[in-house]
Amino acid sequence: KAGVTQTPRYLIKTRGQQVTLSCSPISGHRSVSWYQQTPGQGLQFLFEYFSETQRNKGNFPGRFSGRQFSNSRSEMNVSTLELGDSALYLCASSLGSSGRAYNEQFFGPGTRLTVL
Amino acid sequence: AQSVSQHNHHVILSEAASLELGCNYSYGGTVNLFWYVQYPGQHLQLLLKYFSGDPLVKGIKGFEAEFIKSKFSFNLRKPSVQWSDTAEYFCAVIPEYGNKLVFGAGTILRVKS
Repeated sequence: KAGVTQTPRYLIKTRGQQVTLSCSPISGHRSVSWYQQTPGQGLQFLFEYFSETQRNKGNFPGRFSGRQFSNSRSEMNVSTLELGDSALYLCASSLGSSGRAYNEQFFGPGTRLTVL
Repeated sequence: AQSVSQHNHHVILSEAASLELGCNYSYGGTVNLFWYVQYPGQHLQLLLKYFSGDPLVKGIKGFEAEFIKSKFSFNLRKPSVQWSDTAEYFCAVIPEYGNKLVFGAGTILRVKS
């Protein structure tokens, strides 16, 4: 079974631009979560989607948004990029929406975003 | 809100040494616990997990962890490390019916050959 895939793997943008990252979950997984990983803040939860609905959101500004499609693929968008948005953005998928089916999450390789 | 504390940020060991990485969490209810590993240049991989039952869980590559509920701890152990264990290790916790995984800051392990 193929794992979680993320595209692109690397991105370089300049301040003020916007960016869209894509995540394809493991086949059959319906929940997709997004995380930001930085050396200073570690791994922080951004948001989670299930059945095309955002169920949970972390403490990030409104510039960070996402969506999920009917095939469970998800996109994350960051508008008006700032230098501090440089990070590894990780996507994780899980089978379901609660309990063990949600809690056990499988991670993709991440998208490395550099903002200049 | 729950939090996770990993005791050491950097650990350096020689091959064949024993490893124990500490993890403590703050949450009063039932939790699910995980250890993830991130090898250089690779993505996060699940090492082991605890949902319920036997508090001593075994994972891949000879790792094990013990859940001690009274101490809110979930320490990772390996009797004899190898150079290939060089990686960053993350402890993660989520309430049984919670809405987000909370990660510790990570421990960078370097194994000298």
